[in-house]
Amino acid sequence: EAGVVQSPRYKIIEKKQPVAFWCNPISGHNTLYWYLQNLGQGPELLIRYENEEAVDDSQLPKDRFSAERLKGVDSTLKIQPAELGDSAVYLCASSPRGGHEQYFGPGTRLTVT
Amino acid sequence: GEDVEQSLFLSVREGDSSVINCTYTDSSSTYLYWYKQEPGAGLQLLTYIFSNMDMKQDQRLTVLLNKKDKHLSLRIADTQTGDSAIYFCAREGGTASKLTFGTGTRLQVTL
Repeated sequence: EAGVVQSPRYKIIEKKQPVAFWCNPISGHNTLYWYLQNLGQGPELLIRYENEEAVDDSQLPKDRFSAERLKGVDSTLKIQPAELGDSAVYLCASSPRGGHEQYFGPGTRLTVT
Repeated sequence: GEDVEQSLFLSVREGDSSVINCTYTDSSSTYLYWYKQEPGAGLQLLTYIFSNMDMKQDQRLTVLLNKKDKHLSLRIADTQTGDSAIYFCAREGGTASKLTFGTGTRLQVTL
């Protein structure tokens, strides 16, 4: 069974530029999460989807961050415009309906210069 | 994750047992997890325990939960160099499915 897939793995952009990250969850997993991991820290939840509905986006900085999961499968997280402080690893995770395990992708390491 | 705390670093010799500790403050925690993160990789789920259990064993891994003291530990028996990584404790509770992570414990295994 393929794991959670994320792309790109690495991204370097200049501040004020837009950036987008893509995630494909494990097949059949209806819950999808985006986490932010700063250096030396544990992941922090940005947004959680149940199918195509964002059920918890309270930690998503909505002035510059947006996310979508239009067909309840793949998801895209966007930052526009990026700031220096957005440099971090962005992790996607998924879990099956009713399951308590979250399975993580390898992450996208963003560097904003 | 200030309500989940871990020590930053642990060094053990190959073949010894490692014990990584975690404390949390929220007694409503339902599930508690241990994840492993190797350099440049995502988080790998190692094991988890439901809050009404006090122990779970899975091959070389033993999880102990002291709910009264809100203390969770992960014991790795016969630690190998491949166990060198950062280990994160996480709790689920309050908002369903929301995980709160600790800052991670870096395990260094020496020969």
